[in-house]
Amino acid sequence: AQSVTQLDSHVSVSEGTPVLLRCNYSSSYSPSLFWYVQHPNKGLQLLLKYTSAATLVKGINGFEAEFKKSETSFHLTKPSAHMSDAAEYFCVVSYNTDKLIFGTGTRLQVFP
Amino acid sequence: NAGVMQNPRHLVRRRGQEARLRCSPMKGHSHVYWYRQLPEEGLKFMVYLQKENIIDESGMPKERFSAEFPKEGPSILRIQQVVRGDSAAYFCASSPQGVLGETQYFGPGTRLLVL
Repeated sequence: AQSVTQLDSHVSVSEGTPVLLRCNYSSSYSPSLFWYVQHPNKGLQLLLKYTSAATLVKGINGFEAEFKKSETSFHLTKPSAHMSDAAEYFCVVSYNTDKLIFGTGTRLQVFP
Repeated sequence: NAGVMQNPRHLVRRRGQEARLRCSPMKGHSHVYWYRQLPEEGLKFMVYLQKENIIDESGMPKERFSAEFPKEGPSILRIQQVVRGDSAAYFCASSPQGVLGETQYFGPGTRLLVL
């Protein structure tokens, strides 16, 4: 079955330190890959997406992700965490024109 | 340019009642998707609609749930005879063309609580 796995349910970092949120996908076809962020009781906001162009994708708020086909990974990174980054992050994959397949989410905590 | 709009934002129903959730897509978007988020879980696809057509309803429960996207007006997700297990956040998303890799833009969600 087509799926996406987020390896960490919770990640805690100190403000100003790097962020790494890990994501692996199943590799049946060439996917489109997305990272969405969800702040408490809010909707989802698109951070970035990969659609077979450049493998290093830059998104909003200083986030970026690298598509590594050999590792079937699409990890999300940010060089320096900010308090406002605390939220739930979803790695999402799409193999066809309709449904998005969501990972289970990673909750990012940022400590001062 | 208004984003995807959903109403109500919060809905409380007693078991056995009906719930109607509305979604107005972004201007110029003719593709609508509904997702459900159970507590502490990711979003799960329910249904994909275009104007007056259901394209993919593979994620819809077989009973009590229905969706429509009429020629005029918002898309409606209808849940009949709600049960406690229907308590969840329901998100609507829209996209302009429904092609592979296209971004889906999400609304703020409707949080349904069944007492």
